[in-house]
Amino acid sequence: EPEVTQTPSHQVTQMGQEVILRCVPISNHLYFYWYRQILGQKVEFLVSFYNNEISEKSEIFDDQFSVERPDGSNFTLKIRSTKLEDSAMYFCASSEESQGLNTEAFFGQGTRLTVV
Amino acid sequence: GEDVEQSLFLSVREGDSSVINCTYTDSSSTYLYWYKQEPGAGLQLLTYIFSNMDMKQDQRLTVLLNKKDKHLSLRIADTQTGDSAIYFCAESPGGYNKLIFGAGTRLAVHP
Repeated sequence: EPEVTQTPSHQVTQMGQEVILRCVPISNHLYFYWYRQILGQKVEFLVSFYNNEISEKSEIFDDQFSVERPDGSNFTLKIRSTKLEDSAMYFCASSEESQGLNTEAFFGQGTRLTVV
Repeated sequence: GEDVEQSLFLSVREGDSSVINCTYTDSSSTYLYWYKQEPGAGLQLLTYIFSNMDMKQDQRLTVLLNKKDKHLSLRIADTQTGDSAIYFCAESPGGYNKLIFGAGTRLAVHP
């Protein structure tokens, strides 16, 4: 069964450092997403990406964040200068069509980011 | 604004029915979803309901939607230990491009 894979599963970084979280979406999917979940809090939408550009982003997704699809398979989330409050589980997802159109978004297992 | 609320914890005996409740705020949501998260795994779509439906049944799962009260529930019949997980309710405001999740309900199934 096709799946979304994320690497690494756990990343520890020092405050102020840049991190790149990697995702390999399902190969025939066209829409890609990042969500995060701070421990004990809700899963929050960060950004959606289609046709090589951001289609929607939340207030959380400020200038410190960027996304990229550097090749035909990877989808990355970069945080330029990490803060303690960026510590969270980050989920990547992909779907064939835009979410909400009776299509399933497949989620990866998440990357736990710990900023120290 | 967009918000989804659900209770954080539910404990049931094996074989009983579980009912997980959720309230949402955005009446423009075209679909409403239930996701399941097992330990160490990602979010798995369990079921969804279109906003013009009142009920959807899928094997042991029954979803009830009260659009007037913006209340969604998930009933799991004959709950098994393998159903122990966190269950997330989610809405899709405006219908497209993003999901708004609740905090998740941790379901514990005991013998």
